[in-house]
Amino acid sequence: QKEVEQNSGPLSVPEGAIASLNCTYSDRGSQSFFWYRQYSGKSPELIMSIYSNGDKEDGRFTAQLNKASQYVSLLIRDSQPSDSATYLCAVIGGSNTGKLIFGQGTTLQVKP
Amino acid sequence: GAGVSQTPSNKVTEKGKYVELRCDPISGHTALYWYRQSLGQGPEFLIYFQGTGAADDSGLPNDRFFAVRPEGSVSTLKIQRTERGDSAVYLCASSLNGGTPQHFGDGTRLSIL
Repeated sequence: QKEVEQNSGPLSVPEGAIASLNCTYSDRGSQSFFWYRQYSGKSPELIMSIYSNGDKEDGRFTAQLNKASQYVSLLIRDSQPSDSATYLCAVIGGSNTGKLIFGQGTTLQVKP
Repeated sequence: GAGVSQTPSNKVTEKGKYVELRCDPISGHTALYWYRQSLGQGPEFLIYFQGTGAADDSGLPNDRFFAVRPEGSVSTLKIQRTERGDSAVYLCASSLNGGTPQHFGDGTRLSIL
C-alpha cells in the first residue's frame, strides 16, 4: 500500500462544474496536509494547506480533511480551463520531520 | 530573491560524470528540502536540512548522492558516477521551518546520456 494514494485520472469536468479530487493516506499520525497544483513542465505550486478536521475554503478552492477516515479532498468550484493541471496531495507523516510524502497526482481536464 | 532559485535549469551529462545542482531558498527560510520527480509520478523526498544540518537524509537512494548546506542558506546536491536512472527533475523547496508549507523552485531537469 502506498503511503499517499490518488486516482491518476484523468478527471474530466465541463467548465463551470465542481471538480472533486480525493486522496487517502496510511499514516494515522499525520498532522499536516497540502494540495499542490502542477502544470505540465512546471514545478508544484502550493494552493491549500489543512491541519484540522473539517473544511477550509479559499476562493474557489475548498479542502476537506477527515482524519478518522484518513481522507483529504479538494473541491474546485466553477472550474475553468486554466485549472487543467495535475493536482498533488502531500502529507507530512507522523514522524513530523517535515518531509512531504506525495501521491502520484490526479490530472484534471476542464473542457470549455 | 522572491522565490526559490535553482540552477542550472537543465543539465545534460554523460553516464559516470559528476554533477552539482544548486538551490537558493527564500530568504529567511531555515528549512530546505530536495525532492526528485520522475515523469508521471509525485515528487520523492531525498533530504531535509534544518539550518546547516541534515535533519533527515533517509530519502537519498545510495552513497552516490550527497548534499550540503554549509552556511544555512544555499544548498548543493551532488551526484557522483551518474547513472541513466538518475535522470529526473530535481526539485528544491524551502519553508520557514520544518512542518510549515513548502515552496518549490522551478527544478533542474537532469538528463544522463
